[in-house]
Amino acid sequence: DAGVIQSPRHEVTEMGQEVTLRCKPISGHNSLFWYRQTMMRGLELLIYFNNNVPIDDSGMPEDRFSAKMPNASFSTLKIQPSEPRDSAVYFCASSSTGEAYEQYFGPGTRLTVT
Amino acid sequence: SQQGEEDPQALSIQEGENATMNCSYKTSINNLQWYRQNSGRGLVHLILIRSNEREKHSGRLRVTLDTSKKSSSLLITASRAADTASYFCATAGSGNTPLVFGKGTRLSVIA
Repeated sequence: DAGVIQSPRHEVTEMGQEVTLRCKPISGHNSLFWYRQTMMRGLELLIYFNNNVPIDDSGMPEDRFSAKMPNASFSTLKIQPSEPRDSAVYFCASSSTGEAYEQYFGPGTRLTVT
Repeated sequence: SQQGEEDPQALSIQEGENATMNCSYKTSINNLQWYRQNSGRGLVHLILIRSNEREKHSGRLRVTLDTSKKSSSLLITASRAADTASYFCATAGSGNTPLVFGKGTRLSVIA
């Protein structure tokens, strides 16, 4: 199994630009999570899906952030417009046993907004 | 807050020594998990301990849970340089609530 796949691995963009992060969960996993990690705030859950349905998006910081999961094998996290304070590492994780159990993390996307 | 808090924030030991990291939390939990993160990588699940368990082992890892004190410890025995990483505890509250991660302990094992 290839594990959770994220793209791009690194993204550098200018303030105001749209950023789209992509995630392919492990096949057969029915829960998908988007996290943001910074030194100051640690690892924060942004949103998670069960069976492609968004369950909790209370961690999404602002309306500039949106996430979709059109099918079981693909999800996107979009930031529009991006701001320098969005600079962070964004992780996608998936689980076969639900939101309270073992999660498998992707390698992350390091986003830098200048 | 349900969020676990790890202690210490950073730990430096010699190869071969044991490393102990602690996690405290504030609300009732369904289970507690420990994850490892190597620099520049995603988190990797190490072990899960349920609220009705007190101790669990996996290889060189030993996890304890004291629900009366709302605390857990992770012991890595006979540490190796490859154990150098950040270690996070994550708590799952009652019901189907998602994991909440602490800020981690940075472990450095010096060869």
